[in-house]
Amino acid sequence: DQQVKQNSPSLSVQEGRISILNCDYTNSMFDYFLWYKKYPAEGPTFLISISSIKDKNEDGRFTVFLNKSAKHLSLHIVPSQPGDSAVYFCAASLVLWANSGNTPLVFGKGTRLSVIA
Amino acid sequence: NAGVTQTPKFQVLKTGQSMTLQCAQDMNHEYMSWYRQDPGMGLRLIHYSVGAGITDQGEVPNGYNVSRSTTEDFPLRLLSAAPSQTSVYFCASRTPGGPNTEAFFGQGTRLTVV
Repeated sequence: DQQVKQNSPSLSVQEGRISILNCDYTNSMFDYFLWYKKYPAEGPTFLISISSIKDKNEDGRFTVFLNKSAKHLSLHIVPSQPGDSAVYFCAASLVLWANSGNTPLVFGKGTRLSVIA
Repeated sequence: NAGVTQTPKFQVLKTGQSMTLQCAQDMNHEYMSWYRQDPGMGLRLIHYSVGAGITDQGEVPNGYNVSRSTTEDFPLRLLSAAPSQTSVYFCASRTPGGPNTEAFFGQGTRLTVV
């Protein structure tokens, strides 16, 4: 049973427009969410995160929105650039022990973003 | 600025052979994990460790063993390789400080079992 779902395998967006990548989760105990970006033949790299106590986190062109009641988060990229073309993974974790950090990250299947010049 | 280092980058094995994928990190991270990435399947957790001497199973542990004798190293062992283990393997480590932290990934090991 998939706990983190990215239902869109791919997305194409024109350069300069907004890219919106969606992610749904089923485990209501998740309290920390992350987005990773992956280029071919490279490891995933951390992009942005959000704690469950917030509903929005912004970092430059990247904004993550969290809707806890809907168990849904989204990543907005504005404006989209050709260099943003990559696979984007949504991930989640929960606090296992108060002083020992989170459980390992649970990943979605990824969404391949293509930004067309 | 090494971060997480995986070796080898590529490997071809025959069915039934054994091998160890190496992972080392120089950031003094307590958490380390192994994931495999398959087409259409995303990143699936194989095994993880919350510190030296402590390991646990993830989502897809069968056919793999791990150990954590030092903070820096977290090798993944394939005891008897099978074609179903053809995949790209990623090692990750995570900082111990605080409950909400990101993981850092290695460059991956592409394994083909024939």
